[in-house]
Amino acid sequence: GAVVSQHPSWVICKSGTSVKIECRSLDFQATTMFWYRQFPKQSLMLMATSNEGSKATYEQGVEKDKFLINHASLTLSTLTVTSAHPEDSSFYICSARKGGGIPNEQFFGPGTRLTVL
Amino acid sequence: AQKVTQAQTEISVVEKEDVTLDCVYETRDTTYYLFWYKQPPSGELVFLIRRNSFDEQNEISGRYSWNFQKSTSSFNFTITASQVVDSAVYFCALSELSGAGSYQLTFGKGTKLSVIP
Repeated sequence: GAVVSQHPSWVICKSGTSVKIECRSLDFQATTMFWYRQFPKQSLMLMATSNEGSKATYEQGVEKDKFLINHASLTLSTLTVTSAHPEDSSFYICSARKGGGIPNEQFFGPGTRLTVL
Repeated sequence: AQKVTQAQTEISVVEKEDVTLDCVYETRDTTYYLFWYKQPPSGELVFLIRRNSFDEQNEISGRYSWNFQKSTSSFNFTITASQVVDSAVYFCALSELSGAGSYQLTFGKGTKLSVIP
């Protein structure tokens, strides 16, 4: 158990368009989901933490108006990159924590590679 | 200061050699958790181990072993008799209770391991 999926696995878009990435917990309820960004040859950086039914908490330096996060259900969180630009090209990874599970345990999705032309 | 330091950016070894990946962490908490993840070229993170701050026993899992030393704030990872399939980027991560009351992961910069046949 504890499978997390992401869709799409990769996306190419034109500069100025918006892109939505979905993160789903397939076999458990995720009370908390995390969004990370990883630039090439760099580490994972936490962008935001979202709890189901409430607003996401963004890390310092992450524009909340540019990276819209919605966690409307216990199995789905979405990240929308609005008005994407080439510098937003990155590998976006989500993770999810089980409700009632070990508080520090996160299950990672396979990632979404975004390329903005 | 970095919370998780992986001083080795890249390591190359010949197949069947042993290799140790270093990880040094920094925290003021008495309760924390340490992790190792493997990230193959596909990008998906593979969980390897979790260790809590109260358990300093070393662990062995097949060709993998971990040495946790609180006195030096280190959590090193050794691969014995390395194989080509071990080639990947390895991340050490620290989980602490954040100011918002949830556990968050902080990743090191990663060590890229190349095993040469």
